[in-house]
Amino acid sequence: QKEVEQNSGPLSVPEGAIASLNCTYSDRGSQSFFWYRQYSGKSPELIMFIYSNGDKEDGRFTAQLNKASQYVSLLIRDSQPSDSATYLCAAQRSSASKIIFGSGTRLSIRP
Amino acid sequence: GAGVSQSPRYKVAKRGQDVALRCDPISGHVSLFWYQQALGQGPEFLTYFQNEAQLDKSGLPSDRFFAERPEGSVSTLKIQRTQQEDSAVYLCASSGSGRGTGELFFGEGSRLTVL
Repeated sequence: QKEVEQNSGPLSVPEGAIASLNCTYSDRGSQSFFWYRQYSGKSPELIMFIYSNGDKEDGRFTAQLNKASQYVSLLIRDSQPSDSATYLCAAQRSSASKIIFGSGTRLSIRP
Repeated sequence: GAGVSQSPRYKVAKRGQDVALRCDPISGHVSLFWYQQALGQGPEFLTYFQNEAQLDKSGLPSDRFFAERPEGSVSTLKIQRTQQEDSAVYLCASSGSGRGTGELFFGEGSRLTVL
């Protein structure tokens, strides 16, 4: 079992709709969680981080964390074609430890 | 430069050759990570430095892989006696805070192809 699990997709969403990306993690000691976006042929870039249970909103993006269920999600509202990319979920046990990535979910926004 | 710089961007090696991949992090960044990314997969953790100290090398796949950061700045990932399964993009990332807040700034990667 991988430490961070994601559905590989592809997830196809019409333009303007809400895209919902999910992630589960196995290490109960994980404290910090991150969503990175990676365009094809490019390097990952940070979109959101979340440390506490509940929702965290930033523009069109909302990250959700449920530590009891060991579940993290990312919602993208008003999806745009430029949101088409691979989304990587990552978890970190403590501030001085490695950051573990999932295998990523490919998202495609269709016009 | 302002970002993380990696070299070479592309490297083709014959099986059995040794390779060295260089990472120049953002100036002043304390934490430095190396990841291996195969096609269609997420980045796989290799090793992590805080300044010159290698705090975690649990992801290095074999003793053919070695990383160093002797002065707490530039880092080198060395792969000895390369094998075909070593073919991947090697990503270096740095983070500004010793707390490792998770905002990793990635370089463009070094794509290694082993023939």
